[in-house]
Amino acid sequence: AQSVTQLDSQVPVFEEAPVELRCNYSSSVSVYLFWYVQYPNQGLQLLLKYLSGSTLVESINGFEAEFNKSQTSFHLRKPSVHISDTAEYFCAVSAPKAAGNKLTFGGGTRVLVKP
Amino acid sequence: DTEVTQTPKHLVMGMTNKKSLKCEQHMGHRAMYWYKQKAKKPPELMFVYSYEKLSINESVPSRFSPECPNSSLLNLHLHALQPEDSALYLCASSQDSRAGLSIQYFGAGTRLSVL
Repeated sequence: AQSVTQLDSQVPVFEEAPVELRCNYSSSVSVYLFWYVQYPNQGLQLLLKYLSGSTLVESINGFEAEFNKSQTSFHLRKPSVHISDTAEYFCAVSAPKAAGNKLTFGGGTRVLVKP
Repeated sequence: DTEVTQTPKHLVMGMTNKKSLKCEQHMGHRAMYWYKQKAKKPPELMFVYSYEKLSINESVPSRFSPECPNSSLLNLHLHALQPEDSALYLCASSQDSRAGLSIQYFGAGTRLSVL
């Protein structure tokens, strides 16, 4: 079984400041890693994913995440946030042979960007 | 087109009512999912359909009854719900149910209130 821990439940940050959202996972097998974003009153959108290859993955809107196998982490970063980045961010994992493509989510981190 | 459409957006029902939630996708995906999300919590998987067959039921009470009439449609029939069933119900779809290789796309959800 897998588990995901997002260490910060809330992260207030000023506009144009950098932000880092921490995600650690536990698994006895290799996993695939995801970050999803949920804007207010909306569903989840995939932000980025790590399946294999380069440990640094980037999204089109300036976010990046780095897979660190030794630390079992997949932290999300953005060098300069916008008001529009205010949202809930979920880290998730799935195991390659998990039945039904099951995602295990962390508890979420609420990012509030202040002007 | 990566859209998953859920209707209705909001639903209020009494404990003796019968209602249905609807989910539709036209991406040719063969796996569809129902999740339940309580406020300030991550989504919890309820059901997975793969090629129109129920492949996973996460021990969901029988007052929730899923149905997949065809590969584009997924319904969730509700009967005799309890107030604690009030939540955001999210539908997702993916190309198939191979873990990690098949990204899940989420709808905006139906916000259900049980009185």
